[in-house]
Amino acid sequence: RKEVEQDPGPFNVPEGATVAFNCTYSNSASQSFFWYRQDCRKEPKLLMSVYSSGNEDGRFTAQLNRASQYISLLIRDSKLSDSATYLCVVNMNSGTYKYIFGTGTRLKVLA
Amino acid sequence: EAQVTQNPRYLITVTGKKLTVTCSQNMNHEYMSWYRQDPGLGLRQIYYSMNVEVTDKGDVPEGYKVSRKEKRNFPLILESPSPNQTSLYFCASRPAGNNSPLHFGNGTRLTVT
Repeated sequence: RKEVEQDPGPFNVPEGATVAFNCTYSNSASQSFFWYRQDCRKEPKLLMSVYSSGNEDGRFTAQLNRASQYISLLIRDSKLSDSATYLCVVNMNSGTYKYIFGTGTRLKVLA
Repeated sequence: EAQVTQNPRYLITVTGKKLTVTCSQNMNHEYMSWYRQDPGLGLRQIYYSMNVEVTDKGDVPEGYKVSRKEKRNFPLILESPSPNQTSLYFCASRPAGNNSPLHFGNGTRLTVT
């Protein structure tokens, strides 16, 4: 089983739709969690950190469920510019702190 | 502007010809690391450094070397590149604090023929 798993998609949604992605992680020692956005072959850019109580940044909401070991990202009112790959990143303490990346979920917002 | 800078952006080379990809950050970050990204595999860590003169292997270190003589620089060295090292490479850094997010450089696309 992969340490961090994401549905690769693609998710094709119309503009204005609400879309949600999940990411599961296998190691309960995971300490911190992030969502990154990556445009085609460019560097990943931090979208948001994910906090235990859940957090929101404009149209984006992130949730953490430690009991079930998953994090989620909700995007409301999708824009064409939201089209990208969304990477789930988990930082775990396995002796040293290590960032584990999901393979990403591809989102395409259609006009 | 706070940033991680990699050079070159694109590099085409031949098998066995030594090369270095540079990475520099201006944020006084202690932690730096190198990743490669291949289709379907996500980002995999090559090497990382917790501080000056402290480096350690990641998940895929074979065929790579690094050094950390100064805090701001963390070059990636391929002594004898092979075609299976054709990939997209990213350097990243983060401040002290194990739960901080990574900041990425803009990537180096390497092709080894």
